[in-house]
Amino acid sequence: SQQGEEDPQALSIQEGENATMNCSYKTSINNLQWYRQNSGRGLVHLILIRSNEREKHSGRLRVTLDTSKKSSSLLITASRAADTASYFCATDSPNSNSGYALNFGKGTSLLVTP
Amino acid sequence: ETGVTQTPRHLVMGMTNKKSLKCEQHLGHNAMYWYKQSAKKPLELMFVYSLEERVENNSVPSRFSPECPNSSHLFLHLHTLQPEDSALYLCASSQDPSGALNTGELFFGEGSRLTVL
Repeated sequence: SQQGEEDPQALSIQEGENATMNCSYKTSINNLQWYRQNSGRGLVHLILIRSNEREKHSGRLRVTLDTSKKSSSLLITASRAADTASYFCATDSPNSNSGYALNFGKGTSLLVTP
Repeated sequence: ETGVTQTPRHLVMGMTNKKSLKCEQHLGHNAMYWYKQSAKKPLELMFVYSLEERVENNSVPSRFSPECPNSSHLFLHLHTLQPEDSALYLCASSQDPSGALNTGELFFGEGSRLTVL
């Protein structure tokens, strides 16, 4: 079953503005990851945050995690046209016997216009 | 060489054809994955191999048959597919999630876009 769910489904902003995407999940997790996907291409890992962490930064990316609300947010500051892509959150699966499965949401489609 | 390479990038096949998708990773990882990405649906995990042993099989129809001959190569053999199987098939690799070296990160290939007529 789907674990992570991103919100909004689509987001359109202008260059220089900040973009915030949210992810909600249903059951306990060990970690949560964010990935980016350019149209028709593979996914690229952006950042991982563990369940005992509340905030993490990587360049223009800031990720927060609230395990009490079972939610995470991804903030992209000072956005650029090159940030246009789909963004996915992924959580490790409590249903996985092997511990290998990651559950992905449907993604947020971000459009940054010049 | 890029980290994870998938071939072919595009494939069109009829429902009676037999074809294969290939994935190769040059990262020294020991786990490899097949995901299916359909329009407007979340990524679906299909199969996971760790040290050439299948460790996850998420109720995938038997018309999809994976093969992992070694830790660097992964195949997805396709036969008698249906039009609804048209999708982007993504291969990924990682370190063993239970290992000390694991960062939890998946490394994806560029995908194979499959169209079934």
